[in-house]
Amino acid sequence: GENVGLHLPTLSVQEGDNSIINCAYSNSASDYFIWYKQESGKGPQFIIDIRSNMDKRQGQRVTVLLNKTVKHLSLQIAATQPGDSAVYFCAETFKAAGNKLTFGGGTRVLVKP
Amino acid sequence: DTAVSQTPKYLVTQMGNDKSIKCEQNLGHDTMYWYKQDSKKFLKIMFSYNNKELIINETVPNRFSPKSPDKAHLNLHINSLELGDSAVYFCASSQSGRPWGETQYFGPGTRLLVL
Repeated sequence: GENVGLHLPTLSVQEGDNSIINCAYSNSASDYFIWYKQESGKGPQFIIDIRSNMDKRQGQRVTVLLNKTVKHLSLQIAATQPGDSAVYFCAETFKAAGNKLTFGGGTRVLVKP
Repeated sequence: DTAVSQTPKYLVTQMGNDKSIKCEQNLGHDTMYWYKQDSKKFLKIMFSYNNKELIINETVPNRFSPKSPDKAHLNLHINSLELGDSAVYFCASSQSGRPWGETQYFGPGTRLLVL
């Protein structure tokens, strides 16, 4: 099996609890943000996005919060399930970047039964 | 029904060889990308093409050459492979490459190991 990514910050959460994954970004010009989920051996999968004119957006069991003042993004997962175990990435871009996404380092979420 | 597909899934080769990775999307998108994910899971963009035209070209060795025969395909050719090229390479696509940001959809990845 893979032993890559063991250095990743890890969030262990009990099944059924809520998870909060945090991401700090550095570019104050960033105006579009995406959360991706990457399961072992697969490509990143889109979860939810948010533009800088919003501070909150909700999806199915997920909520993204954006705090532009402190350049912080979070992903909240309600009632975490075993299938939520994965590495989660935030990504950012800004208008002049030509849709070039800059990814954060990733957080591993482990759901305990 | 695969939206973004890549071949091969695994590629093991010797240092110094030349290899290609292929990517196809059936989403009707105009823009395609190549990303490299290293052993620490860090994802970094390499190239982007919009309607067969190169629009993003990051600081990548010129041994890497992308080619887009049509807007549904973006291939990556790598010459003179080096040990440091070992990584997972992801292809992605987005609808129109609008500069104000849009969702990118990723393929399953090609795991390249250079020996």
